[in-house]
Amino acid sequence: EAQVTQNPRYLITVTGKKLTVTCSQNMNHEYMSWYRQDPGLGLRQIYYSMNVEVTDKGDVPEGYKVSRKEKRNFPLILESPSPNQTSLYFCASSRGIANTGELFFGEGSRLTVL
Amino acid sequence: AQSVAQPEDQVNVAEGNPLTVKCTYSVSGNPYLFWYVQYPNRGLQFLLKYITGDNLVKGSYGFEAEFNKSQTSFHLKKPSALVSDSALYFCAVRDMRKLTGGGNKLTFGTGTQLKVEL
Repeated sequence: EAQVTQNPRYLITVTGKKLTVTCSQNMNHEYMSWYRQDPGLGLRQIYYSMNVEVTDKGDVPEGYKVSRKEKRNFPLILESPSPNQTSLYFCASSRGIANTGELFFGEGSRLTVL
Repeated sequence: AQSVAQPEDQVNVAEGNPLTVKCTYSVSGNPYLFWYVQYPNRGLQFLLKYITGDNLVKGSYGFEAEFNKSQTSFHLKKPSALVSDSALYFCAVRDMRKLTGGGNKLTFGTGTQLKVEL
């Protein structure tokens, strides 16, 4: 089954404790992206990757890091989480930059930073 | 910069009645337009898209959307709503001229909660 898998789905952590949210897709997609969803703000892009070893900042990259060492994986790293990073996070993928833009989303990771 | 506006936070409809969820957009070039749906505790799912051609686009679950270039709108519609259509709906836009710059970036609206009641 074609899917984007995120882990963990739910996480409560404390300020400053490094964490990683993993994302994996099994569709051989070139493009992957991270979004955060906040009430009243919709989805905002954090980082994206157009292919292996190619990543770039989205609209709200501060406080986040990503890496793309393999095509299927695109982890989101919070080196020193802060309460304003409490949010619902989505990983998404699609075939490539020149396709018609349909994104496949993971189920989401709800993060609470105390 | 490209942007999307969904002017209604919530839309309430009786089952069996037609529904409309509004979306307007702003891009400098020609738009790619999308609708996604999010059910509780789930990720977003693609519903339909407008790339070019016929202004009326048909998608999943009986939904359709009408592209109106003069009004820069892309409203989502369904002739007869179902209770199971209750969900959060997002409109999104890409600028056709920016396929390489910024990658596959979609700009999303803030979402409209659709509530269909018996």
